[in-house]
Amino acid sequence: QVQLVQSGAEVKKPGASLKVSCKASGYTLSDYFIHWVRQAPGQGLEWMGWINPNNGDTDYAQNFQGRVTMTRDTSTSTAYMELRGLRSNDTAVYYCARYFYETIPNDRYAEYFQYWGQGTLVTVSS
Amino acid sequence: DIQMTQSPSSLSASVGDRVTITCRASQTITYYLNWYQQKPGEAPNLLIYAASSLQVGVPSRFRGSGSGTEFTLTISSLQPEDFATYYCQQSYRTPYTFGQGTMLEIK
Repeated sequence: QVQLVQSGAEVKKPGASLKVSCKASGYTLSDYFIHWVRQAPGQGLEWMGWINPNNGDTDYAQNFQGRVTMTRDTSTSTAYMELRGLRSNDTAVYYCARYFYETIPNDRYAEYFQYWGQGTLVTVSS
Repeated sequence: DIQMTQSPSSLSASVGDRVTITCRASQTITYYLNWYQQKPGEAPNLLIYAASSLQVGVPSRFRGSGSGTEFTLTISSLQPEDFATYYCQQSYRTPYTFGQGTMLEIK
């Protein structure tokens, strides 16, 4: 079965960098885009961007431009999200998610986050 | 960016009740609207995609409807396991955005 297993919780100091991993199993990483979504404590969901593991193409949310880098290692079926210049308001649970798109009846097209990692809690504190 | 607004932000209901959650987009997103359920300490779980298609394995008491800018999620007869937070999400264009969430609590 499809699984996305993320790296463990981390505590970081302001200004530091963070790299979260997301290891895929049950399918070929290159076949589906991986997105990253975060959730601050008690808050809603915020989309960060995606990576196409097939060719490494990326698209980042404007809020994270210049601070985030998404990469992948197809040999280990792992996607990575690096966030630099951490601030206290980067404290959040970070999720990777496999994106899925398909043609559905009536010439429609569906796109959604089909599978999610378990989340990685990142705490930024001095 | 497309803003997604859910209402209500929270809702108290009893087992067996019928509840409806609304999600409005700041511009048309046609039918590119998904609904997720999230329980404390867990990742979100897809319920409905393309506004009205039920994800495999999701009980038929969940129903999505709408198009354009206004969408609804209806749970026809609440079960104990349905008490959770629900999010809508637009997949019309990036940046993909979520509603702020609707917390469904037991009355």
